[in-house]
Amino acid sequence: SQQGEEDPQALSIQEGENATMNCSYKTSINNLQWYRQNSGRGLVHLILIRSNEREKHSGRLRVTLDTSKKSSSLLITASRAADTASYFCATDKAGGFKTIFGAGTRLFVKA
Amino acid sequence: DGGITQSPKYLFRKEGQNVTLSCEQNLNHDAMYWYRQDPGQGLRLIYYSQIVNDFQKGDIAEGYSVSREKKESFPLTVTSAQKNPTAFYLCASSSRQTGHEKLFFGSGTQLSVL
Repeated sequence: SQQGEEDPQALSIQEGENATMNCSYKTSINNLQWYRQNSGRGLVHLILIRSNEREKHSGRLRVTLDTSKKSSSLLITASRAADTASYFCATDKAGGFKTIFGAGTRLFVKA
Repeated sequence: DGGITQSPKYLFRKEGQNVTLSCEQNLNHDAMYWYRQDPGQGLRLIYYSQIVNDFQKGDIAEGYSVSREKKESFPLTVTSAQKNPTAFYLCASSSRQTGHEKLFFGSGTQLSVL
């Protein structure tokens, strides 16, 4: 089973534009994380937001969390061609130990 | 140079054969994980281990087995019972301590059936 579902499945934008990806999940969580994956590689952690936080920033990344709607969004500002990758949200369930991933959003940034 | 090492990068399995994927970490992490990724899909949890000599099934454990005899190592065996093993396999580790929950991933093993 997959706890998180990302939307959209794929996104194509021009360099310099902002990219927004959304994630919805089903159960109560301890935290929500976003990861990036370049094709054929392992995942790299981008940012973690806890269930008692509403917004977090890291460089060009902005993450929001709405626990009442069980949803999160990842905003990448001023995108670059190098941001082309798949982005996954992942959740740690409340009281659990497993980290469960969504299906991902494939982002393509055109130079 | 700390991190997670997966080997081999590519692996081919013949019909009825068991194969073992290696995962080693030198990050001193207690928790280790195996995920399976099919083309264009997300990650599905196969097995995870919170501590040495202990492991639990994830969402798709059938046809797979693991061991955790050492803190640094968490090998995954894909058995002949796994009828559709072709996928990209990712190993990860984490300290799981509050403030350090993020997963560190290896570079993956691509398993294909001959």
